[in-house]
Amino acid sequence: GNSVTQMEGPVTLSEEAFLTINCTYTATGYPSLFWYVQYPGEGLQLLLKATKADDKGSNKGFEATYRKETTSFHLEKGSVQVSDSAVYFCALSEGYGNEKLTFGTGTRLTIIP
Amino acid sequence: DTGVSQDPRHKITKRGQNVTFRCDPISEHNRLYWYRQTLGQGPEFLTYFQNEAQLEKSRLLSDRFSAERPKGSFSTLEIQRTEQGDSAMYLCASSHRDRGNTGELFFGEGSRLTVL
Repeated sequence: GNSVTQMEGPVTLSEEAFLTINCTYTATGYPSLFWYVQYPGEGLQLLLKATKADDKGSNKGFEATYRKETTSFHLEKGSVQVSDSAVYFCALSEGYGNEKLTFGTGTRLTIIP
Repeated sequence: DTGVSQDPRHKITKRGQNVTFRCDPISEHNRLYWYRQTLGQGPEFLTYFQNEAQLEKSRLLSDRFSAERPKGSFSTLEIQRTEQGDSAMYLCASSHRDRGNTGELFFGEGSRLTVL
């Protein structure tokens, strides 16, 4: 079956540091890949997505590239801010109109001023 | 507020009692999903509806769990004879299938269940 393996946390960084959160996946077919974020006291929300190999998703300064050869979708940001403190979830769907998501375990990110 | 709303936000119950959670999706979203999330884990799929039809159920969903979406709008998730292992956050999400496969689910803030 499908699975997502995500870098374990928690991760603590200083403001303006470079961020990488690793994510690898196992899936049959051609999944779509996602990063969801959960800010304190809020529901999960989509951060970015990519639907096919070599696509790059980007939003709010975050980026992730769909790498089929390494089955990876690592999240990066060049300069993090305190407001980026949240829990980040990597996820996949089977595609072809099937939106059921398989999530990783989540990575808690804390940015200190 | 036009987001996904869930009620109650927090439920504390004794083992063996029945509980029911309600989810109101974003208006006109025809797909509705239930997930369960335990501490330190990602959300796990339970079931989903397209309109009023329940199209898929996870093997995680034991016979004590039942979900309905009678008119294709709001949904309820009932847990009968609760057990301590049912303690978790129950998340509802919605989407609109016919607006292309964006793959974006819109989540509510969840209903936290504590079974004593």
